[in-house]
Amino acid sequence: ETGVTQSPTHLIKTRGQQVTLRCSSQSGHNTVSWYQQALGQGPQFIFQYYREEENGRGNFPPRFSGLQFPNYSSELNVNALELDDSALYLCASSVGTGAIYGYTFGSGTRLTVV
Amino acid sequence: GQNIDQPTEMTATEGAIVQINCTYQTSGFNGLFWYQQHAGEAPTFLSYNVLDGLEEKGRFSSFLSRSKGYSYLLLKELQMKDSASYLCAVSPYDKIIFGKGTRLHILP
Repeated sequence: ETGVTQSPTHLIKTRGQQVTLRCSSQSGHNTVSWYQQALGQGPQFIFQYYREEENGRGNFPPRFSGLQFPNYSSELNVNALELDDSALYLCASSVGTGAIYGYTFGSGTRLTVV
Repeated sequence: GQNIDQPTEMTATEGAIVQINCTYQTSGFNGLFWYQQHAGEAPTFLSYNVLDGLEEKGRFSSFLSRSKGYSYLLLKELQMKDSASYLCAVSPYDKIIFGKGTRLHILP
């Protein structure tokens, strides 16, 4: 069974640009959660998608948006990039939304905004 | 709201035992997780506690007291490869919320 894969692994963007990050969930998983992890900090919850619908959102502005596709893969879109958006973006998939199922994390996308 | 506190950094010696504490305040509780994260890598699952008490898994043990909003991760027989960040995470409902992590340094 394949794990969670994220692409790209590294990305450099200019302030004001838009970016799309991609995540393929582990086989059999229908829930994807996205996190932002700044250097030296813990992962901060952005939002979660369950069966193609947003199922909760953290304290992030609307310029952070997402999608989940019928195959349960997911995208994170960030518009009007700011310097503070520079971080490691982690995607985690799970069998369901319940915590008991635990999360499997991808290796992340390192985004640098200059 | 949610609040999770853990020490920022700790240092221990190879072969020794270290305990990393975590206190939390959340609206709702469906369990507490510990994850290990090496620099530049994804977090990897270590343990999950939903009931009070100690869960042991090899060199690692995790303890939970729901009434005190307290957990600890105990690492025994420390090895150099245990140098990493340890993330305490709580599930208020069906999300997992992380603390800032404790960076553990192992000295030879």
